[in-house]
Amino acid sequence: GQQLNQSPQSMFIQEGEDVSMNCTSSSIFNTWLWYKQEPGEGPVLLIALYKAGELTSNGRLTAQFGITRKDSFLNISASIPSDVGIYFCAGRGYGGSQGNLIFGKGTKLSVKP
Amino acid sequence: GAVVSQHPSRVICKSGTSVKIECRSLDFQATTMFWYRQFPKQSLMLMATSNEGSKATYEQGVEKDKFLINHASLTLSTLTVTSAHPEDSSFYICSAPGRGLEKLFFGSGTQLSVL
Repeated sequence: GQQLNQSPQSMFIQEGEDVSMNCTSSSIFNTWLWYKQEPGEGPVLLIALYKAGELTSNGRLTAQFGITRKDSFLNISASIPSDVGIYFCAGRGYGGSQGNLIFGKGTKLSVKP
Repeated sequence: GAVVSQHPSRVICKSGTSVKIECRSLDFQATTMFWYRQFPKQSLMLMATSNEGSKATYEQGVEKDKFLINHASLTLSTLTVTSAHPEDSSFYICSAPGRGLEKLFFGSGTQLSVL
């Protein structure tokens, strides 16, 4: 079945630093979504990508849909303490149902003031 | 963005009792909703797809009689954990696709603790 690898598993950074995380899949995806989850809460959608090569920003966040359709990255610029949380990538392959999102295992981000 | 409301946020129950979790789409209609389970420090695992007016579709390994799903209206899906056991303790999250059906919006989750 489809597999999705997300890295890094965790990051410990200083406030103000930039952050980069990525996801790669074993097969082609037609949708990439990036979510942030805080403790005891459901994931919140950050950015959605639908086309290969697409680059989309949401404030300090930027995500790209890889040209190969098998990867995506999320960058956070000038991190702040409230960026702390777990970031999940999620992807959907061609022919996948709406619920058939495959989730990465998450990147836990810790920001030191 | 679309809002999905999930209730309760936290529930503690005795072993053998049943617990109902509600998931509502607040400003849009959702013919389909999804239920996930998440263990500590793990990713989300799809349990079932809730279909308005028809039977839910369960993922492999998920017990239909254990996790009862009802989707009686276009804005409400419920998950009932029947005869709960301590191993059912987990974080349960629902989601619904927004307009355009391409994005999934999640509820805030329900932390179930079975004593």
